[in-house]
Parts: sequence; C-alpha cells; structure tokens
Amino acid sequence: GAVVSQHPSWVICKSGTSVKIECRSLDFQATTMFWYRQFPKQSLMLMATSNEGSKATYEQGVEKDKFLINHASLTLSTLTVTSAHPEDSSFYICSARLGAGGYEQYFGPGTRLTVT
Amino acid sequence: EDQVTQSPEALRLQEGESSSLNCSYTVSGLRGLFWYRQDPGKGPEFLFTLYSAGEEKEKERLKATLTKKESFLHITAPKPEDSATYLCAGSSGSARQLTFGSGTQLTVLP
Repeated sequence: GAVVSQHPSWVICKSGTSVKIECRSLDFQATTMFWYRQFPKQSLMLMATSNEGSKATYEQGVEKDKFLINHASLTLSTLTVTSAHPEDSSFYICSARLGAGGYEQYFGPGTRLTVT
Repeated sequence: EDQVTQSPEALRLQEGESSSLNCSYTVSGLRGLFWYRQDPGKGPEFLFTLYSAGEEKEKERLKATLTKKESFLHITAPKPEDSATYLCAGSSGSARQLTFGSGTQLTVLP
C-alpha cells in the first residue's frame, strides 16, 4: 500500500517551453502533496505544499509563476515548469501524506527534467 | 530555523560489519522523525517514523532509535544490497513539512 507514481519518469525539453509533471497516489487519498527538487549529490529541497482544492504554498525563493502547482483531486497533483531554462534541469520528486491525521510522506519515483 | 544534520556523509563497511548512522535535529514543534532510504535515480523509500524519545523501531537489519536531540539508524550485519543513501527528516508545521538532512551514503562491500 501507499504507492505514489509520477509521470513522466524523464523528459527532455527545449528552453522556453513548458513541461507538466503528474503525481498520483494510487491506493490512497492524499489531501496534501509536496513537491521537492534534488540536485546531484544533494538532499531534497521542499518547493511547495499543495492541498486539494486550494492554492499551493511555496517555500521562500521558489517562483510560483514559474512552478505552477495544481491539486485538482485527492489523488492527483501536477507541477508545470513554465518557460523552462537549463538551470531548471533537475530531479523533481513528489510525495503524498497519508490521510488527514497521518504524518508519513510516501514518495514518487521522481522525474528527471533536462532543458536543452 | 529547523535543522537536521546527518553524519557521517559517507560510510564504507565490509559485509557483516555493523555500524550506526547519526541524525541530530533542532526542529521546533517536532511531529515525528523519519528515516528514508534512497537509491540512485529513485525517490526516497519510507523506513521508519519515531515520535517520542526512547522509541525504537526495527525492520530486518535496521533499527532506529530516538532521543530528545538525535536519532540513530543501527545497521546490523549489513549486506551489499543495503548500500544506498539514508535520509533523516524532521516533520513540523501545520502541513507537517519535512526538513531533510543531507544524507549518509552507505556502501557495503562484499
């Protein structure tokens, strides 16, 4: 149980285009999902917290107009990287918190984004 | 500011050589201390949650313990398949966000 999927697992796009990454909780409902970014040999950096049906809360320094997050249902959150640039190339990972009272976060397999 | 510090950064063990990984934390309003395992190019895999000092949890060759200031991940008789990066994280805030440490990269040699 507590499986989270991400799609796509990797994507290459050209500079200036937009890319959408999907995060789904497959066997549970997640009122809260999180988006992280990870650079090589570094730990996970929280980008934003998204709650179903409301606006995402972004961490300091994360551009909300660049990283659009939508949490339209209890099982799906999306991250859209708009007008991507090479510096946006990174490993993006989502997680979902198990239930309203739960503390554990279960992570997706990650999406490798390369902007050329 | 919440901080989670892990040591050592990297650890090389011979198969069967037991050891411990350390995670020290200063997280206000801590709502759980988490351990994850991450393999290269993959998302973190949940291992343990600890909520109060003195709590211990075990899973196969791994045992996690918690004090008021730090947590330890004990690895008993490790095998090469235990090689991975082990991440520690503290949960706080109304949304229970995780603050991650930088991880310990464990390599177990056959």
